[in-house]
Amino acid sequence: AQSVTQLDSQVPVFEEAPVELRCNYSSSVSVYLFWYVQYPNQGLQLLLKYLSGSTLVKGINGFEAEFNKSQTSFHLRKPSVHISDTAEYFCAVISTGGGNKLTFGTGTQLKVEL
Amino acid sequence: ETGVTQSPTHLIKTRGQQVTLRCSSQSGHNTVSWYQQALGQGPQFIFQYYREEENGRGNFPPRFSGLQFPNYSSELNVNALELDDSALYLCASSLGYSGNTIYFGEGSWLTVV
Repeated sequence: AQSVTQLDSQVPVFEEAPVELRCNYSSSVSVYLFWYVQYPNQGLQLLLKYLSGSTLVKGINGFEAEFNKSQTSFHLRKPSVHISDTAEYFCAVISTGGGNKLTFGTGTQLKVEL
Repeated sequence: ETGVTQSPTHLIKTRGQQVTLRCSSQSGHNTVSWYQQALGQGPQFIFQYYREEENGRGNFPPRFSGLQFPNYSSELNVNALELDDSALYLCASSLGYSGNTIYFGEGSWLTVV
């Protein structure tokens, strides 16, 4: 079984400042890693994913994440946030060979302020 | 726009009733999964269908059941509704599994009173 921990339930940040949303996972097998964004009253949109290869993954809207196997982390970063980035962000994992069952963290609410 | 459509978008049911939620997956996608997202929580996996067969189930009771049709659209049925079933129900589709991108619909908001 696998689990995902998002340590920060809320992250306030000023517009144009950098941000990092933290994600740690636990699994006895190899995993694929994902970040999804959820805007108010909407479904989930994929930001980026790590399957294999380069540990630095670039996604949409200027986001990137780095896979760190030794620390079992997959933190999401953006060098300069915009008001429109205000949303809920979910980290998720799938165990390799485990079908498409996503295990999600509890989410981090990113609030960008002027 | 993910190409995954769900209906209805909102509905209110009374405790003890039954509900059917529907999902039309993205064209060509043969794998459909359903998730329950309670308020303030991350989505929880209910079950997955691959080519009309259930091939994975989360920790949900048997009163949560589903179907996948030959055109790969899907239904989620919940019997004997309880107040705690109030949540956003998300449908997700993909082509096969193991890393292929999973696309989510906008969800169906269910309120049980």
